[in-house]
Order: sequence, then C-alpha cells, then structure tokens
Amino acid sequence: GAVVSQHPSRVICKSGTSVKIECRSLDFQATTMFWYRQFPKQSLMLMATSNEGSKATYEQGVEKDKFLINHASLTLSTLTVTSAHPEDSSFYICSANPLEALNTGELFFGEGSRLTVL
Amino acid sequence: GENVEQHPSTLSVQEGDSAVIKCTYSDSASNYFPWYKQELGKRPQLIIDIRSNVGEKKDQRIAVTLNKTAKHFSLHITETQPEDSAVYFCAATYNFNKFYFGSGTKLNVKP
Repeated sequence: GAVVSQHPSRVICKSGTSVKIECRSLDFQATTMFWYRQFPKQSLMLMATSNEGSKATYEQGVEKDKFLINHASLTLSTLTVTSAHPEDSSFYICSANPLEALNTGELFFGEGSRLTVL
Repeated sequence: GENVEQHPSTLSVQEGDSAVIKCTYSDSASNYFPWYKQELGKRPQLIIDIRSNVGEKKDQRIAVTLNKTAKHFSLHITETQPEDSAVYFCAATYNFNKFYFGSGTKLNVKP
C-alpha cells in the first residue's frame, strides 16, 4: 500500500528558532500534499496545500511567511515553522493522494510530528 | 472554503449496539465524502467513502448515507465491537482538490 513517512516525529525547540518537518511518499509520487494541524480536541485543520513545482496555497488565517512550504520533488514536501512560539506547539500531520489513485480520493497520512516550543 | 461540522464529539455505546456519527458541510459543490478512523497513536485511515451521485454505501458493519439537499452525511456502525473504539473523522472535498475534516468523534465501545 501507499506509505507516507514524516520526520521528525517529535521535536522540541526554543522560542524564536525555526523547525523543519519533512513529509515523504515512499512508494508513490504525489503532485499534491496536504499539511494539517491537529488540535488537542482532535480536529484536523487544513493549513495548506503543497504543490510540486509551484507555490503552496494556504488556507485563510494561516500565515504563509510563518509556515513555509516547499514541495521540491514528487516525493517530498517540507513544512518549516519559522520563528516558532509556544502557541505554535501542536501536532502537524501531512497527507498525500497517490497520482495513480486520484480517482479513489484516498489520502495516506504521515505519522505526524509533535512540535513543542519552549 | 468548505466548513464541515461533526457531531457528537464523544459517543459511548455498549458492545453490540449501533453508533451513528453525523456531519454537515457548507459547500454544495463538494462531491466526495470520506470517513477516516484514527486509533490512539496511529495515523488516520480511510474506512469508507461516498460520492455525491450515491445516496448510501455499505461495507459489512459500516455504512454511510448522504443527503445532498440537506448537505449532511452520516456514518453508521452496527454491532459495535471494542476494536471499533477510536476517533472518527468525516471529510468533504470537491474533486479531491482539498480535504476539509470535521472535528472528530471519539467513539468508546464498552465491553
């Protein structure tokens, strides 16, 4: 089956530093990957859509300069939280839809990354 | 963008009983509605989905119904088992461009 790998699974950083999270599709290609933030009360909030070879599209209320997304290849998207603050502490999870399975609509999720900003 | 609301946020049932989770969506253009199950510490996984040209879909003990006019869809789990305990998310999308998720329902099946 399709596998999406996310790294790191946990990261602790100091306020003001930047953190990069990687999302890789291991056995398929994806022109599009989605970045979500999962809040303590369970909800998955769509932050942005990462597009290979072009700029990411951000949802309303999500600061693009704070959450930098780079989709450099068909198997890798990165999310960089710049100048992180404690309120950025959260669980970030990426997902992708395999090119060859576009008509099924199934999303495959990474393991998620727990960010804690001190 | 799309707004998906999900109820209830928590649901506790006795083993063998049925469970129903309901979602509403705001964008009438949405045409695909998946349901994901997330077990504790694991990633969400697709359990069933429905397209806008279908009113109901069933897969063994789980079924999903869609009412396009009212813009709501529901997940039905019959004969619940302890292993059904998890968080369930509904989602809506138009042509798989973006997936908007509901806030999740924590289902607890008591043995």
